[in-house]
Amino acid sequence: GAVVSQHPSRVICKSGTSVKIECRSLDFQATTMFWYRQFPKQSLMLMATSNEGSKATYEQGVEKDKFLINHASLTLSTLTVTSAHPEDSSFYICSAPGTGIRGGYTFGSGTRLTVV
Amino acid sequence: QQQVKQSPQSLIVQKGGISIINCAYENTAFDYFPWYQQFPGKGPALLIAIRPDVSEKKEGRFTISFNKSAKQFSLHIMDSQPGDSATYFCAASSINGNKLVFGAGTILRVKS
Repeated sequence: GAVVSQHPSRVICKSGTSVKIECRSLDFQATTMFWYRQFPKQSLMLMATSNEGSKATYEQGVEKDKFLINHASLTLSTLTVTSAHPEDSSFYICSAPGTGIRGGYTFGSGTRLTVV
Repeated sequence: QQQVKQSPQSLIVQKGGISIINCAYENTAFDYFPWYQQFPGKGPALLIAIRPDVSEKKEGRFTISFNKSAKQFSLHIMDSQPGDSATYFCAASSINGNKLVFGAGTILRVKS
């Protein structure tokens, strides 16, 4: 089945530094990648949608200059958290429309970001 | 605006019992309704999904019931097991929007 590989699974960084999270579609081509953020005991909130070869679409309230999304190829999408602050600490998850039934989605395993 | 409302927030069920989680949606353009299971520190995993042209779908111990007129759908977990203890999310999307909108989640604990 369709697999999205997400790395790293955990990262701790100092306040003010940048962190890059990668999501790769291993056995299919993902023209679209959704990026979610999940705070403890809360639901997944869509941050942005990346499309291969074009600019990402950000949800209302999400700072596009802080959360840089690049979708350079059909198998790789990256999210860079720039100038990270403790309030950016969260669980970040990517998801791609899968190759299964119409509307199916494949999720990455998530990245736990802790900013100290 | 919360487009998918999920209840209860948490649920405790005895082993062997039936776990029932409910969701209601507002957007009539939604035409895909999946349920996801999430364990701590992991990404969501698809359990089962339904489209509005059927009222029920069953896969193993998991059943979705769908009521289009009421704009509600529910997940039933039969013969609940301790290994089912996790957070469950309902979601919805439309083919046009292609974005998944998630419910708030239900923390299920199955007591052995």
